Amino acid sequence: AQSVTQPDIHITVSEGASLELRCNYSYGATPYLFWYVQSPGQGLQLLLKYFSGDTLVQGIKGFEAEFKRSQSSFNLRKPSVHWSDAAEYFCAVGAGGTSYGKLTFGQGTILTVHP
Amino acid sequence: GAVVSQHPSWVICKSGTSVKIECRSLDFQATTMFWYRQFPKQSLMLMATSNEGSKATYEQGVEKDKFLINHASLTLSTLTVTSAHPEDSSFYICSARAGRGRAQYFGPGTRLLVL
Repeated sequence: AQSVTQPDIHITVSEGASLELRCNYSYGATPYLFWYVQSPGQGLQLLLKYFSGDTLVQGIKGFEAEFKRSQSSFNLRKPSVHWSDAAEYFCAVGAGGTSYGKLTFGQGTILTVHP
Repeated sequence: GAVVSQHPSWVICKSGTSVKIECRSLDFQATTMFWYRQFPKQSLMLMATSNEGSKATYEQGVEKDKFLINHASLTLSTLTVTSAHPEDSSFYICSARAGRGRAQYFGPGTRLLVL
């Protein structure tokens, strides 16, 4: 069974500082990996996704993530955080084929940004 | 971009009543829709997969008689929480897969509070 672990429940950074959110996954084959952001009381917005190819993926809002198969990781990074980035971030893994779209989410990481 | 809507955005009901939540793909045909549930301060958990014109597939531990899913058209799936109880209070989010492609879009969610 597939699983996702986000080790950090809550991270606080200063505005302008760099950010890295960790994500480790467990999956038997090549995974489809996603990062979503959720603002309070809102749905999910896709930041970026990895299916295959280049292991460094660029997303929206200046985010990027790197797929490292040897470490089973898909960490999310941003070089300079803005106050508007404060939200909860979810890493997710999905299967392909007929099961595509069935996502397993991590526990989420709440990001607080100090001015 | 593709849009998925949910209605209502929030609902309060008495214990024992049934509540219907709609998920619509507004500008594309969704052959497959997914229903997730998110309890406070927890991650999203997949409840069921809904395919147009066929019975929904439920994840282990989800009561199919309690959570009725209907996907009668390519743009609409409904989730009915029957005989709702306070423990059913949650944030219900749907997602829609556009055809056989990899694009998947999440709705804004429906917050259910059962008194």
